[in-house]
Amino acid sequence: KQEVTQIPAALSVPEGENLVLNCSFTDSAIYNLQWFRQDPGKGLTSLLLIQSSQREQTSGRLNASLDKSSGRSTLYIAASQPGDSATYLCAVTLGAGSYQLTFGKGTKLSVIP
Amino acid sequence: NAGVTQTPKFQVLKTGQSMTLQCAQDMNHEYMSWYRQDPGMGLRLIHYSVGAGITDQGEVPNGYNVSRSTTEDFPLRLLSAAPSQTSVYFCASSYSFRALYNSPLHFGNGTRLTVT
Repeated sequence: KQEVTQIPAALSVPEGENLVLNCSFTDSAIYNLQWFRQDPGKGLTSLLLIQSSQREQTSGRLNASLDKSSGRSTLYIAASQPGDSATYLCAVTLGAGSYQLTFGKGTKLSVIP
Repeated sequence: NAGVTQTPKFQVLKTGQSMTLQCAQDMNHEYMSWYRQDPGMGLRLIHYSVGAGITDQGEVPNGYNVSRSTTEDFPLRLLSAAPSQTSVYFCASSYSFRALYNSPLHFGNGTRLTVT
């Protein structure tokens, strides 16, 4: 059974710092990996999706990398801002014929002004 | 553009009561799904649908029923509510089930359900 782990569970940083969030998964036979953002009381918003054949994706100050063979992904946030405060979740889609995503439990990020 | 709309936002039920959580999307998405989110457990898939008339079970389907009579709607029914079903429920959709491999999921804002 695929398991997705996110470390740390919570992170607090001062504004302006660059930071890295980690995601690991146990079964490397994935189709893609997604990073989501969740604000309190809200649904999830997709930030970046990396196909299994890709190594990284970038959107603005966000950069996500994927090392499928080692079962790891990182989300890099440059020049953090208070508005980045949220919970960040990663999720993997398993191989052909699977229409399910397996989620990590998330990292709660607080950016202190 | 409304996206994925869930109703109600909040609901309190007594043990044994039944209810339906509504989910509608206006993006002509083939794939729709229901997740529950619990503290310390993360998001877990309840049921999903790859098109009208087609549904399948996810990781935690017991106690829930779904149907997909139209492309737009994917209601989740609790047959006899139990305190263990206290949770936040999210509906999510994607352009097609094949697009899960290269397109993101779109989530609703959730329904917070309490069963006493």
